[in-house]
Amino acid sequence: KAGVTQTPRYLIKTRGQQVTLSCSPISGHRSVSWYQQTPGQGLQFLFEYFSETQRNKGNFPGRFSGRQFSNSRSEMNVSTLELGDSALYLCASSPGDRGPDTQYFGPGTRLTVL
Amino acid sequence: QQQVKQSPQSLIVQKGGISIINCAYENTAFDYFPWYQQFPGKGPALLIAIRPDVSEKKEGRFTISFNKSAKQFSLHIMDSQPGDSATYFCAASKAGGSEKLVFGKGTKLTVNP
Repeated sequence: KAGVTQTPRYLIKTRGQQVTLSCSPISGHRSVSWYQQTPGQGLQFLFEYFSETQRNKGNFPGRFSGRQFSNSRSEMNVSTLELGDSALYLCASSPGDRGPDTQYFGPGTRLTVL
Repeated sequence: QQQVKQSPQSLIVQKGGISIINCAYENTAFDYFPWYQQFPGKGPALLIAIRPDVSEKKEGRFTISFNKSAKQFSLHIMDSQPGDSATYFCAASKAGGSEKLVFGKGTKLTVNP
């Protein structure tokens, strides 16, 4: 099976812009979670989608949003970018219907905000 | 509030030695404890995971020890190799229909040849 793919891999934006990141889960996986990774804060949970519904949400401002499509692909959007949003954004997929389970991570999208 | 505390922040071990990384958690609702390994430029990859009904799980050179009463768990890497040099994260999640993982801050392991 193909692994989790994320596009784009690298992105440079300026403050105030918005950005959309994409994640394609492993075939058959219905849960997609998004994490932000920074040197200072480590890996922090943004939100999880399961069967097109947001199932859980972390402590991030409303500028961070996401959605999931019927084929389980997911996108996350960050509006009004701030310098502090520079990070590696990771998505992870899992079957989602068996309780806490192995999450498979993609390679991430490295976002730089100038 | 940091729900999963990981130590040490960095660790240097000689080839063939034992690497030990420790984690402590606060939320007794956690019932799934995975360890992830991350190489530079890559996403985290699951190494080994344990549930609280067992006190130890071993897979090859990697062992998780779990102490439910102390709310602590640790990763032991036996016969550490230079190829094990990476950042290791412990994590925890709870039952209830969500896959949310709470991560420790990570341990950068360097294995010297």
